[in-house]
Amino acid sequence: EPEVTQTPSHQVTQMGQEVILRCVPISNHLYFYWYRQILGQKVEFLVSFYNNEISEKSEIFDDQFSVERPDGSNFTLKIRSTKLEDSAMYFCASSLKGSPQPQHFGDGTRLSIL
Amino acid sequence: QKEVEQNSGPLSVPEGAIASLNCTYSDRGSQSFFWYRQYSGKSPELIMFIYSNGDKEDGRFTAQLNKASQYVSLLIRDSQPSDSATYLCAALPNFGNEKLTFGTGTRLTIIP
Repeated sequence: EPEVTQTPSHQVTQMGQEVILRCVPISNHLYFYWYRQILGQKVEFLVSFYNNEISEKSEIFDDQFSVERPDGSNFTLKIRSTKLEDSAMYFCASSLKGSPQPQHFGDGTRLSIL
Repeated sequence: QKEVEQNSGPLSVPEGAIASLNCTYSDRGSQSFFWYRQYSGKSPELIMFIYSNGDKEDGRFTAQLNKASQYVSLLIRDSQPSDSATYLCAALPNFGNEKLTFGTGTRLTIIP
């Protein structure tokens, strides 16, 4: 069964550094998403992306964050000048079409900021 | 603030019994609802989705939606130890809006 793949599975970074989290969505899917889950808390929406542009973003997704689809298969989340509170699981998801189609999640990247 | 509420549990159910998981939502305009299963340290895995009032069955799982009461439930029949996980309820506000809003999840334990 097709799946969303994310790399790396675990990223450890010093505070203030930049990180790039990578995702390969399901191949025929058109909508892409990033979510995060701080340990013990809810899964929170960050951003949705369609047709090479952001379609929606949450208040969490401020200027520190950016997304890009650099080629036909990858979808990336960049976090600049990381802070301790950025430590979380980051999940990429994709859907065949937009709402209300189900979103399928990757295995996540655990980001640890030291 | 548009919220999805779940009882955090833990909910303990004997093996072979029916597990009933409940969820309420505050945004009356919400149109579609999703149940995800999340094992500890893992990602959300889609179990069921439902758009229309009533019941939707898939194998041992039944999702129920009552838009008038703003209530969604998930029934798991013939519960198995492998069903032990946290079950996340999520809602999409309306067609065309991509932001899934998740509840905190209900931790389910199936007792052999």
